[in-house]
Amino acid sequence: KNEVEQSPQNLTAQEGEFITINCSYSVGISALHWLQQHPGGGIVSLFMLSSGKKKHGRLIATINIQEKHSSLHITASHPRDSAVYICAVWEIQGAQKLVFGQGTRLTINP
Amino acid sequence: GAGVSQSPSNKVTEKGKDVELRCDPISGHTALYWYRQSLGQGLEFLIYFQGNSAPDKSGLPSDRFSAERTGGSVSTLTIQRTQQEDSAVYLCASSLIGNGDTQYFGPGTRLTVL
Repeated sequence: KNEVEQSPQNLTAQEGEFITINCSYSVGISALHWLQQHPGGGIVSLFMLSSGKKKHGRLIATINIQEKHSSLHITASHPRDSAVYICAVWEIQGAQKLVFGQGTRLTINP
Repeated sequence: GAGVSQSPSNKVTEKGKDVELRCDPISGHTALYWYRQSLGQGLEFLIYFQGNSAPDKSGLPSDRFSAERTGGSVSTLTIQRTQQEDSAVYLCASSLIGNGDTQYFGPGTRLTVL
């Protein structure tokens, strides 16, 4: 079992829909990251969370440390939101590194 | 300001040759990371440099892989005797202080081993 699990693996929705991507992890962490990878390959950091909730524009990220779960929400989705969204965690113990989920491929149709 | 830059953007090499990939981090960032992403796969950690500390090499897939960071700035990832399974996009990232803070990714180097 992977240390970081994302769901769904693929998501197709219509423009304007509310999108939720989930991330569960099994290790102790100091921070959780949400990344966005566009079809061209570039990776952008969207959020870094250690507790609670963060909002940036139409994107909202939440984390529940006790349940080891995070969600990324997109409100009023747009075709330009189409990308792969990646959850990654920074482990407290063991090797210091980001451990990545497999990503969620989001497609927003006009 | 300038982001993380990587060179070359594309590299095609023959099996058995050595390759060097370069990463220029954001100025002032103390932490530097190398990752790779094979076709259709997720991101895989390779190595992490934090300031002047000895790098964490636990993610390097074999002893053919090595990395250096000179003067706390530019880093080079070297792959010796390349194999076809080394074909991937190699990504570099840097962060201000390390230890899980926000990482800024470079555009990557696409390596193809024929």
